[in-house]
Amino acid sequence: AQTVTQSQPEMSVQEAETVTLSCTYDTSESDYYLFWYKQPPSRQMILVIRQEAYKQQNATENRFSVNFQKAAKSFSLKISDSQLGDAAMYFCASAQGGSEKLVFGKGTKLTVNP
Amino acid sequence: EAGVVQSPRYKIIEKKQPVAFWCNPISGHNTLYWYLQNLGQGPELLIRYENEEAVDDSQLPKDRFSAERLKGVDSTLKIQPAELGDSAVYLCASSQNMRGGDTQYFGPGTRLTVL
Repeated sequence: AQTVTQSQPEMSVQEAETVTLSCTYDTSESDYYLFWYKQPPSRQMILVIRQEAYKQQNATENRFSVNFQKAAKSFSLKISDSQLGDAAMYFCASAQGGSEKLVFGKGTKLTVNP
Repeated sequence: EAGVVQSPRYKIIEKKQPVAFWCNPISGHNTLYWYLQNLGQGPELLIRYENEEAVDDSQLPKDRFSAERLKGVDSTLKIQPAELGDSAVYLCASSQNMRGGDTQYFGPGTRLTVL
């Protein structure tokens, strides 16, 4: 069974600074995908970044990047130059290859201080 | 391109009443999902459709919950009768299902309050 663990219920960062959100996962499959989703207070979940497990290169999307440590089953999200609009709940999720089922962590609430 | 549409956005009902939620996925997306999100938690899958077929409903409480996706497009999730513990946000998502690990696109959700 897949599990996803986010050990930081809340994090805060100063505007323009960098913050890293932690995520660990467990899966018995070799083919899987990892995701970070953002959920602002309006509740619409938005994909931030996606990583394919077979790719060693860490995914990046503008100010967002991941540190994918496959052996350690770790998938952290780094947000650079934090902006007020980055304030939201961030969910880490995994999906096994061939299955469309996403398993989510409990989320990390990110506060950005001006 | 229009996103996933859900209605209503908010619903307040008395316990034991029925309630229904509607979802219209992104055009061309064959796979549709219903998730339950309790306060302070991540979403949990209730049911997944591939076109008209429910391919994963193992987490759907079938004694009171039902879902349908007629014609493989819109979907309706129903609860009858509702219980106090059903108060939560119900999220709909869709994906193209071209291959495993496809990105899922979420709607804004329906916040249900059962009194």
